[in-house]
Order: sequence, then structure tokens, then C-alpha cells
Amino acid sequence: AQSVAQPEDQVNVAEGNPLTVKCTYSVSGNPYLFWYVQYPNRGLQFLLKYITGDNLVKGSYGFEAEFNKSQTSFHLKKPSALVSDSALYFCAVSQAGTALIFGKGTTLSVSS
Amino acid sequence: SQTIHQWPATLVQPVGSPLSLECTVEGTSNPNLYWYRQAAGRGLQLLFYSVGIGQISSEVPQNLSASRPQDRQFILSSKKLLLSDSGFYLCAWTSLGTGGEKLFFGSGTQLSVL
Repeated sequence: AQSVAQPEDQVNVAEGNPLTVKCTYSVSGNPYLFWYVQYPNRGLQFLLKYITGDNLVKGSYGFEAEFNKSQTSFHLKKPSALVSDSALYFCAVSQAGTALIFGKGTTLSVSS
Repeated sequence: SQTIHQWPATLVQPVGSPLSLECTVEGTSNPNLYWYRQAAGRGLQLLFYSVGIGQISSEVPQNLSASRPQDRQFILSSKKLLLSDSGFYLCAWTSLGTGGEKLFFGSGTQLSVL
């Protein structure tokens, strides 16, 4: 069975500092990995995905994520955080023909 | 372009009352459709998904049911709501494929069962 873990409920960073939101996954085969962002009382918005190819994936709003097969991780990163990046971030995993399974989410708080 | 509509945005219902949440997708055909629930502190839980009219897969045993009477319509229902049904319900769609397609989400329904 597929599963995804986001070990941090909340991440706090200062504006201008780099940020990392962690995600690890468990699947029996090759994973498809995703990051979504949710602003208050809104649906989720797609940020980026890894299907195959280059382990470093670039997405919307300056975010990127690195697929690490040996560590089964797909951490979300941004070199310089903005206050407007404050939101709830979800990591998700799927495989061919399966629905996305989401982690519990990590609240990112960027202070000015 | 494709759009997804979900309503109502908020709903307050007494325990034991019925529920019907509706989701429609425009601008695409034969989408995969999903219902997720987001409960406080519990992340996003997949409830149902559908790959075609009348085809519903349930991920967790629960008090809810789903139906897909038309290609682009997905309905979440309950005959008698429980307190534990409270949460933020999200409908989503993706194009029919072999996996790896991103989901497009509706704006959600905040359900409070009192």
C-alpha cells in the first residue's frame, strides 16, 4: 500500500531564508510524487510533480523538490522564502492507475 | 478551459439529517473524479473515486456514499449525518490516464454537523 509522511506539522522560517518542507513516501514500485499548496478555505493548488527523469523538479512560485530514491524522500525547497508563501503544503504519492494519497500536511509560516 | 464547480461552499447540518454535495466539471470529458475530506489535524483523506459513470470506488468504510449519474457530475451523499462527518470536503478531477496526472481541485465545502 502507498503512504506518505510529512514529519513536521509546522515549519517556521524568516523571510529571505531558505525553506525546506519534508516528505517521505512508501510504495512498492515507481512513485509519482506531487506537492500541492492550500491557502485558507480554498482548494488545493498544484505546485510540482516528479514522474521520471531529472531528480530535481522545478515548479510554481520558485519552489523546487528533489527526488531521492535511496532515502524515499521528496522534500520541497525554496532558496528565499516570502511571507506570501505561508500556507498549508501537502505531499502526495501515486502510481500508475492509482489515486493520489496525501500526507497530513505541513503548515509553513514565514515571518517578516 | 476546464473548470470544476463545487457547492455549497459552507453547510451547517444537524446530526441525523441527510447530505448532498455536488461537483461538476466543465471543459473535459470522461474525467476521473474524486472526493477527499480534510478533517482538522488529519490531512487529506481520499473517500471515493470514479473512473466513469456509475463506477465508484470507496477507499474507507464510512457513513457516506458517492454517485456519478453523469460523466461530469459527482455527488457525495449521506442518509444520516454523524458528528464525525464534519470537515472540509474537496472534489477533484484529473484526465484519464495511466497515473502521474495532476489533480484539479474545487474550492471545497465546509461541513459542520451539530
